[in-house]
Amino acid sequence: RKEVEQDPGPFNVPEGATVAFNCTYSNSASQSFFWYRQDCRKEPKLLMSVYSSGNEDGRFTAQLNRASQYISLLIRDSKLSDSATYLCVVNTPSSARQLTFGSGTQLTVLP
Amino acid sequence: DAGVTQSPTHLIKTRGQQVTLRCSPKSGHDTVSWYQQALGQGPQFIFQYYEEEERQRGNFPDRFSGHQFPNYSSELNVNALLLGDSALYLCASSLPLRENEQFFGPGTRLTVL
Repeated sequence: RKEVEQDPGPFNVPEGATVAFNCTYSNSASQSFFWYRQDCRKEPKLLMSVYSSGNEDGRFTAQLNRASQYISLLIRDSKLSDSATYLCVVNTPSSARQLTFGSGTQLTVLP
Repeated sequence: DAGVTQSPTHLIKTRGQQVTLRCSPKSGHDTVSWYQQALGQGPQFIFQYYEEEERQRGNFPDRFSGHQFPNYSSELNVNALLLGDSALYLCASSLPLRENEQFFGPGTRLTVL
């Protein structure tokens, strides 16, 4: 089983749609959680950290459910510029110096 | 303030050859991590360097080695290249004790023929 698993995608949605990505992680000791965004043939960039209480940044909302070992990302009112691959990332105490990435979910927002 | 830089941008090698990739961390960062990203996959951790020493390593064979210099820049060396080594190699830097906040360079795209 992979340490971090994501919806395989791809997701193709119209502009203005709401889209949700899901992610599960296998190590219950994981302590830090993130969503990264990666544009085509570019490097990953931190989109947002994910906190137990949930957090919001503009049109983006991240949720964490430790009991289910589940992370989500919700994008509201999607824009063409949101088209990218979204990577779910966790960090565990035993290997705190490395980030463990999911395979990513590709999103295409259509005009 | 320059971000993380990597060179070269692209590289083509043949099986059995050796390659060296280079990375300069973001200003003020002293920790450098290397990741391999195969097509359609997320980045996989290779190793991390701090104070010129490898302090954590992922599940990669000894053909993958690295080095960190006193100015915090780093090199990734891969010996006896295999076709499966074709990937985007990403360097990320971070501040001490802030490994959660890693800043990635643009990567080196390695093709092994």
